[in-house]
Amino acid sequence: EAGVTQSPTHLIKTRGQQATLRCSPISGHTSVYWYQQALGLGLQFLLWYDEGEERNRGNFPPRFSGRQFPNYSSELNVNALELEDSALYLCASSYLDRGLGGYTFGSGTRLTVV
Amino acid sequence: DQQVKQNSPSLSVQEGRISILNCDYTNSMFDYFLWYKKYPAEGPTFLISISSIKDKNEDGRFTVFLNKSAKHLSLHIVPSQPGDSAVYFCAASHGSSNTGKLIFGQGTTLQVKP
Repeated sequence: EAGVTQSPTHLIKTRGQQATLRCSPISGHTSVYWYQQALGLGLQFLLWYDEGEERNRGNFPPRFSGRQFPNYSSELNVNALELEDSALYLCASSYLDRGLGGYTFGSGTRLTVV
Repeated sequence: DQQVKQNSPSLSVQEGRISILNCDYTNSMFDYFLWYKKYPAEGPTFLISISSIKDKNEDGRFTVFLNKSAKHLSLHIVPSQPGDSAVYFCAASHGSSNTGKLIFGQGTTLQVKP
């Protein structure tokens, strides 16, 4: 069974540009979650999508947005990039809510803003 | 407001000895706790979990203890192996609110020396 896949692995952008990160969940998983891990910090919840709808978002500005497609894959868009957006962005998937085993994470996209 | 805290950034133990990783939380509404392990360049992987109705859960070499009165949980690894060297995150959820969100600690880097 293929795991959660994220692309690209690394992304370098200039301040003010837009970044698009992609995530393909495990087959059968309908929920996709996005987390940000900045250097030295824990994972911060960004967004939760389920069945194509945004179900919840964390304490991040509106320039962080995303969507979930009919095949349950998801995109995270970060507009007007700032230097502090440099972080590892992790996507996770699960069936329905979290389930007893929590999420299954992808390996992440390392975003560097210069 | 850091609701889940891992106060020890790092821990070093000898192979074969016990590793004890600690986690404190402030929100008494948390009803489910999880531990994740993360290797470099990989996403976090689920390790073990515990419901707030229990005070102990064991899975092979891994045992999680929950002390609700102290709002403290710990992960015991016995015996520790070099392959256990990784970053360990504790996480908590308030499942009844169905937020789809896990609150993570900052992580503890465990080094197991051969």
